[in-house]
Amino acid sequence: EVQLQQSGAELVRPGTSVKLSCKVSGDTITAYYMHFVKQRPGQGLEWIGRIDPEDDSTKYAEKFKNKATLTADTSSNTAYLKLSSLTSEDTATYFCTTGSYYFDYWGQGVMVTVSS
Amino acid sequence: VQMTQSPSYLAASPGESVSISCKASKSISNNLAWYQEKPGKANKLLIHSGSTLQSGTPSRFSGSGSGTDFTLTIRSLESEDFAVYYCQQYNEYPPTFGAGTKLELK
Repeated sequence: EVQLQQSGAELVRPGTSVKLSCKVSGDTITAYYMHFVKQRPGQGLEWIGRIDPEDDSTKYAEKFKNKATLTADTSSNTAYLKLSSLTSEDTATYFCTTGSYYFDYWGQGVMVTVSS
Repeated sequence: VQMTQSPSYLAASPGESVSISCKASKSISNNLAWYQEKPGKANKLLIHSGSTLQSGTPSRFSGSGSGTDFTLTIRSLESEDFAVYYCQQYNEYPPTFGAGTKLELK
């Protein structure tokens, strides 16, 4: 069974960056597109972008193009989301998920709190 | 593509049937999925392609619709079904989600 294990909660200062990880077990990461989704407290789901670990090609939602960077490490079966120039608007839970079109498997989510 | 889900909240009792609506701002063919969100659990894909049950989804769940109007129906609610449900279109990038429907115990 495919499982996605995300890194732990983060408390970060405004203006800094944070890098979140998502480790795939039960299959090779190159079998999937890896996506990241944002959920602000009490809000719905917002797609950030995806990476194809096979060739490192990426696609981002327009509003995240200067905010998010997706990378993948096939040797460790892990995908990463880096968020830069953090503000209070980035306080949210971030999920990784797999799929070509719809999302088959989801990580448990990681809470990022941006606060001074 | 904007996805409009309704209602936002729904209260029901075990054994009842409920329906959740999802409307797309333009035609998305049948490129729609439904997910279930429960506290402390990973989100679960229930239905894709508008009406195809994902492996492991109980048969009391069903999806219908195409174009712009879609419905998720849950028949004979069980206690484990009380959760938040989201629709998502994948007809074009970026994938977009409805705002969610919270199904609560009456």
